[in-house]
Amino acid sequence: DIQMTQSPSSLSASVGDRVTITCQASQDISKYLNWYEQKPGKAPKLLIYDASNLETGVPSRFSGSGSGTDFTFTISSLQPEDIATYYCQQYDNAPYTFGQGTKLEIK
Amino acid sequence: EVQLVESGGGLIQPGGSLRLSCAVSGFTVSSNYMSWVRQAPGKGLEWVSVIYTGGGTYYADSVKGRFTISRDSSKNTLYLQMTSLRGEDTAVYYCARALSSRIWGQGTLVTVSS
Repeated sequence: DIQMTQSPSSLSASVGDRVTITCQASQDISKYLNWYEQKPGKAPKLLIYDASNLETGVPSRFSGSGSGTDFTFTISSLQPEDIATYYCQQYDNAPYTFGQGTKLEIK
Repeated sequence: EVQLVESGGGLIQPGGSLRLSCAVSGFTVSSNYMSWVRQAPGKGLEWVSVIYTGGGTYYADSVKGRFTISRDSSKNTLYLQMTSLRGEDTAVYYCARALSSRIWGQGTLVTVSS
C-alpha cells in the first residue's frame, strides 16, 4: 500500500500569509494526487486534482504542484474562510490513501 | 441535480451488521467509480472501499473480509454491507463519486458500542 506523509499536522498563520503544506508518497504516484478542504461537520471539498489542476470554482489563491513522490499545496494569501483541515489523497493505486491532514488556524 | 444521500447509520453492538445506502441522483451509479470514505470522531479521513464501473471492488485492509461494497442499477444506489463490526468502525461514513471526488454525500454516523 502507498503511504502518504503529510506535514505539518497543524499550522497557525496570519491573514495574508503564504501557507504551504507538503505531502510525500511512499512510492511514485505520477500526478495522481488530490487536495481536499474539510470544515467541521462538513464533507470534504475537492480543491486540486491531478496534483496541480484547480477544481472549477475554487479561488486562484489555492494551488498545487509536484509529481512522483513529492507534492506541495499552497495558499498564496490566507483568508479567514480558509480555516479548515486539508488532506492529500493519492489515487494512483488502490487503496486510495489519504494523508493525516493539516489543521490550519488563524494566528 | 447531482446528489448523494447516505442512510442506514445508527447504533449497533460489537459483532453486529449494518447496511449503508447511498442514493444517487443526477448521474448513473454504474457508470462511475464510487467510493466509501469514513472519518472516526476527531480523526482524519480513511478511504474504505471502491467499486469500479466494471464491477470490480477493492477494500482497505482494515475492513477486508468484513465489508462488502455493491450497487443496484435499478435503484441507482450504492451500498456498504458491514459485518463483524468493531468499536474502531465507529465513524461518519461518506459515499463519493469518482476518485477525484467532487460529489460527496452528507455522511451517516455509525456508532459501534455496547
